[in-house]
This record gives sequence, C-alpha cells and structure tokens, in this order.
Amino acid sequence: DIVLTQSPDSLAVSLGERATINCKSSQNILYGANDKNYLAWYQQKPGQPPKLLISWASTRESGVPDRFSGSGSGTDFTLTISSLQAEDVAVYFCQQYYSTPLYTFGQGTKLEIK
Amino acid sequence: QLQLQQSGPRLVKPSETLSLTCSVSGGSISDNNYCWGWIRQSPGKGMEWIGNIYHSGSTYYNPSLKSRVTIFLDKPKNQFSLKLTSVTAADTAEYFCAREIGGAPRIDSWGQGTLVTVSS
Repeated sequence: DIVLTQSPDSLAVSLGERATINCKSSQNILYGANDKNYLAWYQQKPGQPPKLLISWASTRESGVPDRFSGSGSGTDFTLTISSLQAEDVAVYFCQQYYSTPLYTFGQGTKLEIK
Repeated sequence: QLQLQQSGPRLVKPSETLSLTCSVSGGSISDNNYCWGWIRQSPGKGMEWIGNIYHSGSTYYNPSLKSRVTIFLDKPKNQFSLKLTSVTAADTAEYFCAREIGGAPRIDSWGQGTLVTVSS
C-alpha cells in the first residue's frame, strides 16, 4: 500500500498568517503518461464529513477560496493557506488515488488558531 | 445538488453484521461517471477506504476487509449498501458513504456519517 505521512500532526497559526501542511508519499504518485500527480486534499470541520479542496495536487475545486493552494510532485506535496481565516480551523487530509481502486489517506493535520 | 443520506443501526453486537444504506438524491447511481463507496474513520486507524461499486455492479474492496465486506446497489431505490460481517470492537468507527469520481477516485460528495459502535 502507498503510505501518506503528513506533517505536522497539528499546527497553530495566527489569523492572517500562512499555514503550510506537508504530505509525503512512500511511492511516486506522478503518472508519467499524463504528467499528473494523483493527490487530493480535503478539509474536515468538526462534526462534518470531509470536503474536497484540491485535486491533481494543485487544481482547486470549484468554490474553494484562492487562499488555498496545493503544490509538489512525485512524493512530496504541500497544502498552503496563504492568509488564515477563522473558518479554516479544521483537520486537513491528503489522499492518493494513484493506486486506484485502493486509495489511501494521510493521518490528518489539525489546524488551529494561535 | 447531490445528497447522500445514510441510515442504519449505530450499535452492533460483536460477531454480528453491520449494515448501512446510503440513499442518493439529486443524482443517479447509474451515472457511469462515478462510483459509490464506503470509507470509515476511527481515532486509531484514521481514514480507511472500505470499497466501492460501479453502476455495472463491479465491486472493489480493501484487501484487509475483503473477506467480510459486501457492497451492493439497489437501482430502483437509487441506493447502495454496505454489509460487514463478523464485526469486532476494531470495527467501531464513523462510516461514510461517498461518491467517487470515476477513473481517478477523489470523493466529491459524502454522506453525513454514521458512528457505529461494536459492543455487547
């Protein structure tokens, strides 16, 4: 199985500051035939199911604020929130869908306000 | 707007069968652009993909659960269901149904979640 390891496990950032969450894959998840990274990012607020934020490592879903951005390739990926808002408090997960149908998630990063 | 509404018991006895149903509205489970899956979440194991089913009825299961899992469609009712047999305390988790984008499965829609506890 492809293992995704997120860092840090938790993070406290001041409002308006940048938040950065990392996701490292145990295997390359860049598919050479189409040059796409098979990685998604989700946001899960307390008591809610996750929400898809980013696909293909860097493509924001419709309606997702542009302060959220994804980057990286191969095995190392980053989710960045450029200016933290109060409503961004949540747990963030990465997910790989390279090894479909058996896809796996990172363990999650809890983001709080400092 | 697609909605996934889960139903099923929240308490299951050890060795019995966990059964959950996901009713889909605002879309069709026969749409061949998607497949329909189950994921569970627990403090110990995090998010774990259980399996999915395509409109054709083809199923794929997590190898770690394959011997105990069945996912099936009810097309007339626009529902899909999960059965997990011989449950133990390790199966205690929040269970989510989900719509997965076919071919490269990210999950673009989730059910509300059902916290299932396995206990006598």
